[in-house]
Amino acid sequence: SQKIEQNSEALNIQEGKTATLTCNYTNYSPAYLQWYRQDPGRGPVFLLLIRENEKEKRKERLKVTFDTTLKQSLFHITASQPADSATYLCALDEHNQGGKLIFGQGTELSVKP
Amino acid sequence: DVKVTQSSRYLVKRTGEKVFLECVQDMDHENMFWYRQDPGLGLRLIYFSYDVKMKEKGDIPEGYSVSREKKERFSLILESASTNQTSMYLCATVRANNSPLHFGNGTRLTVT
Repeated sequence: SQKIEQNSEALNIQEGKTATLTCNYTNYSPAYLQWYRQDPGRGPVFLLLIRENEKEKRKERLKVTFDTTLKQSLFHITASQPADSATYLCALDEHNQGGKLIFGQGTELSVKP
Repeated sequence: DVKVTQSSRYLVKRTGEKVFLECVQDMDHENMFWYRQDPGLGLRLIYFSYDVKMKEKGDIPEGYSVSREKKERFSLILESASTNQTSMYLCATVRANNSPLHFGNGTRLTVT
């Protein structure tokens, strides 16, 4: 079955730099892939969805790419701020059934002032 | 905005107790889900429901059951709580395929 791998180690960067988080999947390419943000003690909050026919999607300082050849999605936060510190989760819908998502373990991002 | 409310933020129960986790959503979504989240394992799907009175097993349903008597409410039941069910439980709802999940803030359950 499909597996998702995200950087297991925490990512520490300086304020103002670009953070890049990686999500790799193992099997066939999903119809779409989602990214969520999770703060400690809270439920995940949806950020972006990218479809397999889209190479790139942007929302304010966030950018997501989807490379079906590499089986990889990259999540970028430009001009990062300490408020961006959180855990970021990648998820995909294996059978396009809506809501039955497979999640990565998440990458913890820490932005230092 | 969709609101998904989980009745308890923290819960401590004893081994063998029957535990009810409640989830209510206010957006008339038909699809509701229960996930658990554990360090190193990520989120895993326990049960889901696409309609009232309907339920389907997710990836890890053993030791759990669910109830969906009304569209807005989806309950997760631990028939006889065990220590390996200590976890963060997250309820979620979705409008349709290709739509994002809306999560509640979770219930952190400790079974002693």
